[in-house]
Amino acid sequence: DIVLTQVPDSLVVSLGERATINCRSSQSVLFSSDNYNYLAWYQQKPGQPPKLLISWASTRVSGVPDRFSGSGSGTDFTLTISSLQAEDVAVYYCQQHYSPPFTFGGGTKVEVK
Amino acid sequence: EVQLVESGGGVVQPGGSLRLSCAASGFDFNTYWMTWVRQAPGRGLEWVGNIRSDGYVEGYADSVKGRFTISRDNAKKSLYLQMNSLRVDDTATYYCVRGNSGYVYWGLGTLVTVSS
Repeated sequence: DIVLTQVPDSLVVSLGERATINCRSSQSVLFSSDNYNYLAWYQQKPGQPPKLLISWASTRVSGVPDRFSGSGSGTDFTLTISSLQAEDVAVYYCQQHYSPPFTFGGGTKVEVK
Repeated sequence: EVQLVESGGGVVQPGGSLRLSCAASGFDFNTYWMTWVRQAPGRGLEWVGNIRSDGYVEGYADSVKGRFTISRDNAKKSLYLQMNSLRVDDTATYYCVRGNSGYVYWGLGTLVTVSS
């Protein structure tokens, strides 16, 4: 099974500052035949189901603010919130859908300083 | 509007069984893979398994393989999760999710508590 390791486990950032979350995969999730990275990022707020933010490692879902961006390829990926807002307080997860079981990272809790 | 509504959660003793259902509406159910994801209280997300649109292909996490079975009834636009030999560590909120990747649509979840 592919293991996704998220770093850090938690993050405290001032409003307006940048937040960076890393996700490392135990094997590449880049599918050579289409050159897509089969990795997604989700945001989950308390009491709610997760919300898809980024698909294919770097494609922002419609309606997601442009302060959220995804980057990386192969085994190393990053979710960046360029200017943290109060409503971004949540837990963030990466997930691979390259090879079943489609595992999730352990999550990163983002809080405001 | 896409809606996914889970039901069937509750309290069950270790070793018992439970069947979860997910009623889908607002989209062509019979053209989508469907997935179950669970989340233990205060913990992260765990992919449970999925099923192809025609119901003939399923996949499971190692932690549930041989104990859980996913099925669907396309005529009823419903997804099911049959859970047998339940363990305390199966306690979680179970989410019904549309698709096989990049999950846009999630239900609100149903809580399963395995306790004696």
